[in-house]
Amino acid sequence: QVQLQESGPGLVKPSETLYLSCNVSGGSLSPHYWSWMRQSPGKGLEWIGYIHHTGTIKYNAPFESRLTLSLDTSNKQLSLRLRSVTAADTAVYYCARESRFSGRSANFYDAMDVWGQGTTVTVSS
Amino acid sequence: DIQMIQSPSSLSASVGDRVTITCRASQNIRTYLNWYQQKSGKAPKLLIYGTSSLQTGVPSRFSGSGSGTDFSLTISSLQPEDFAVYFCQQSYHYWTFGQGTKVEVK
Repeated sequence: QVQLQESGPGLVKPSETLYLSCNVSGGSLSPHYWSWMRQSPGKGLEWIGYIHHTGTIKYNAPFESRLTLSLDTSNKQLSLRLRSVTAADTAVYYCARESRFSGRSANFYDAMDVWGQGTTVTVSS
Repeated sequence: DIQMIQSPSSLSASVGDRVTITCRASQNIRTYLNWYQQKSGKAPKLLIYGTSSLQTGVPSRFSGSGSGTDFSLTISSLQPEDFAVYFCQQSYHYWTFGQGTKVEVK
């Protein structure tokens, strides 16, 4: 089955750039959207943004000015780049697959059905 | 932005209890509401999508209901493995999560 594995530096200094990657194994990138979330005690679960295998990207507004998401389709690897980090960016970061499900009343619903195990990022000097 | 408010923030219950968690959206999200379970140190796990449809493999003691702005997740008979944190999530306009409800042992 599909598995996601995040990786990152663990510790980043304030004002530097955070780089994370997420490897997708056991399944195809298409036709899914691939999202990044983070979770911290102060802000809970936050959606950061998503990327589609066709190149469509959407950033959540609070991150838009310093975020870049990319996708290496040949290696099935997602990447996140977050610039000018501060202590407020300390969190567990997750990647997740979005899938579309058929629900009641012939509606279609999107949900995040596969998640990576998360990678902890601490911003500190 | 759509805000999601869960209540309570935590609750204490015993095995066999019926547990209900509520989630309120700041605007009408129709039935675009998902529920997740998160155990300590693990990633969230999808339980319910589209307000009331169980994800494959999720026990039938879990159920969801609601529409518009008010939703609920019910566990009909709490089992030991159900002690966890539960999150609602709207998928009507991108994604927003509730702050979580911790279900603890009484």
